[in-house]
Amino acid sequence: GESVGLHLPTLSVQEGDNSIINCAYSNSASDYFIWYKQESGKGPQFIIDIRSNMDKRQGQRVTVLLNKTVKHLSLQIAATQPGDSAVYFCAGDGSQGNLIFGKGTKLSVKP
Amino acid sequence: DARVTQTPRDKVTEMGQEVTMRCQPILGHNTVFWYRQTMMQGLELLAYFRNRAPLDDSGMPKDRFSAEMPDATLATLKIQPSEPRDSAVYFCASGLQAGDYNEQFFGPGTRLTVL
Repeated sequence: GESVGLHLPTLSVQEGDNSIINCAYSNSASDYFIWYKQESGKGPQFIIDIRSNMDKRQGQRVTVLLNKTVKHLSLQIAATQPGDSAVYFCAGDGSQGNLIFGKGTKLSVKP
Repeated sequence: DARVTQTPRDKVTEMGQEVTMRCQPILGHNTVFWYRQTMMQGLELLAYFRNRAPLDDSGMPKDRFSAEMPDATLATLKIQPSEPRDSAVYFCASGLQAGDYNEQFFGPGTRLTVL
């Protein structure tokens, strides 16, 4: 079946360092991908999205890279801050028009 | 500041009881999703509506779960009878699906505990 998954369940970085969170997907027909951030006790919150006709998109301190050849995307967070500590989910559009979510990577930022 | 609202925020009930969770999507959004989140399974899609019509509820145990949209401002998820394994956080999300634009806005969730 369709799946979107992450390579690492946890990631610990030092404050000020860059973070890279990776994600793989199985549906080569997926056109749209989103990264969500979920803080403890809250619902997922949109961070950045990318369409399949792009290979890179930048936001404020975040960059998403898409490699369609190997069906891989990554989220890069520059100058990681304590407020970035959360679980990060990647999601890709499924064949039914819904989003398929990965299981999440927990990012911990050490001061 | 438009946002998805969910009630109740927390629900503790006993096994066998009926549970109804409510969601008010963002005005103007044409899609509504119900998700269940647990530590073991992560985010699971339970049901999905577009323009109030159910499109996909294959992730939902049909014998006890039901999802409806009585009108464009209200979505409900009902469990009857509830079981301890239903304990989870249930999220509602809404979105404006136009072409391949698919962002979803999540509510704060309902934390359900079935004893």
